[in-house]
Amino acid sequence: DAGITQSPRHKVTETGTPVTLRCHQTENHRYMYWYRQDPGHGLRLIHYSYGVKDTDKGEVSDGYSVSRSKTEDFLLTLESATSSQTSVYFCAANRDSGQPQHFGDGTRLSIL
Amino acid sequence: QKEVEQDPGPLSVPEGAIVSLNCTYSNSAFQYFMWYRQYSRKGPELLMYTYSSGNKEDGRFTAQVDKSSKYISLFIRDSQPSDSATYLCAMSEGSGGSNYKLTFGKGTLLTVNP
Repeated sequence: DAGITQSPRHKVTETGTPVTLRCHQTENHRYMYWYRQDPGHGLRLIHYSYGVKDTDKGEVSDGYSVSRSKTEDFLLTLESATSSQTSVYFCAANRDSGQPQHFGDGTRLSIL
Repeated sequence: QKEVEQDPGPLSVPEGAIVSLNCTYSNSAFQYFMWYRQYSRKGPELLMYTYSSGNKEDGRFTAQVDKSSKYISLFIRDSQPSDSATYLCAMSEGSGGSNYKLTFGKGTLLTVNP
């Protein structure tokens, strides 16, 4: 058990609404990541955090923002959801750079 | 050329077979190599983690890294139906700075038939 919990596990919402996904970890990992997984694209990094209040963009960050006010929580926000953001979102974490990342079980998000 | 190439399969084998899964990559700076297993509707689960070239064995699983050929492999011996999953390779340049980001292959779907 990697100690990473994502919530909600499933969500259906409408275009234009704000959405926040939560990742909670209990292992005091310094680094946390948000990915999306889509058929034909694999896992793509959205944003990552290298400490409390320290975040940076990944390869597909447009339309997403993140916040990390505590070590254990990393939030992903879609300010105004679009249908192209329908995906499965995974959170990951690791203690130190160079260590393998451990994943949560994902949030399945559908935007109608 | 994509940074990491992985044959998506699907790959179907009988129970007990030896399975070989492979990835090629183009970035010679990659030093850390991982294999993840992902069951349907679950998150990726770390199987193997290796640094630089060489082999690593863990039970029925063996990971091989050939940096000179930019080629990594995962072998599964005595495959079981419970091994049916998607297998993802991943790699990173190393520790420190921004070098902890992982680059993933797109995954190979494996089915082991009883």
